[in-house]
Amino acid sequence: DQQVKQNSPSLSVQEGRISILNCDYTNSMFDYFLWYKKYPAEGPTFLISISSIKDKNEDGRFTVFLNKSAKHLSLHIVPSQPGDSAVYFCAASGRYQGGSEKLVFGKGTKLTVNP
Amino acid sequence: KAGVTQTPRYLIKTRGQQVTLSCSPISGHRSVSWYQQTPGQGLQFLFEYFSETQRNKGNFPGRFSGRQFSNSRSEMNVSTLELGDSALYLCASSLSGEYNYGYTFGSGTRLTVV
Repeated sequence: DQQVKQNSPSLSVQEGRISILNCDYTNSMFDYFLWYKKYPAEGPTFLISISSIKDKNEDGRFTVFLNKSAKHLSLHIVPSQPGDSAVYFCAASGRYQGGSEKLVFGKGTKLTVNP
Repeated sequence: KAGVTQTPRYLIKTRGQQVTLSCSPISGHRSVSWYQQTPGQGLQFLFEYFSETQRNKGNFPGRFSGRQFSNSRSEMNVSTLELGDSALYLCASSLSGEYNYGYTFGSGTRLTVV
């Protein structure tokens, strides 16, 4: 049962345009959401996050939107640059029995930004 | 400061063998989590250790185990390797397991089972 879904395995955009990566989740206990970026042969690096008490968080060219009623979040990159080409993972966390947390990841979306 | 160090970077093992992977967290970090990344499944949580205790565990068979030492370094062990265990194994460290800052991944160990 996949609790975090990234339904688009890949996305291709032109340099300078907007990239929109989508993520859906099923578990209403999730209260914190993160986006990670991963280049080949490297570990994921943290990009941006959002708490469930907010509906938007912005950091430079990156903005994450959260729609709790739809259990949907999206990452907007504006303007997109060739260096943004990577695999983007959506992740969610929430309190589980015992008080500890764990991150649940989607399968990733490969973004290609064409010059 | 030094990042999260995983050794070895690459490993080739034969079916049925066992393997031990190592993760040295960022200095001062006490939480270490392990993930398995495969093309079809993305990143899947294996387990998390904090102060030498396993705090959380994912849905993996008992062949996957781990431990953490007093210096916070962690090892994970996979026994009786299967072809499907071929994957990138990532560890992440943080001060106490929180995700909102300081949760840093290593570059991973690429395990190939033949």
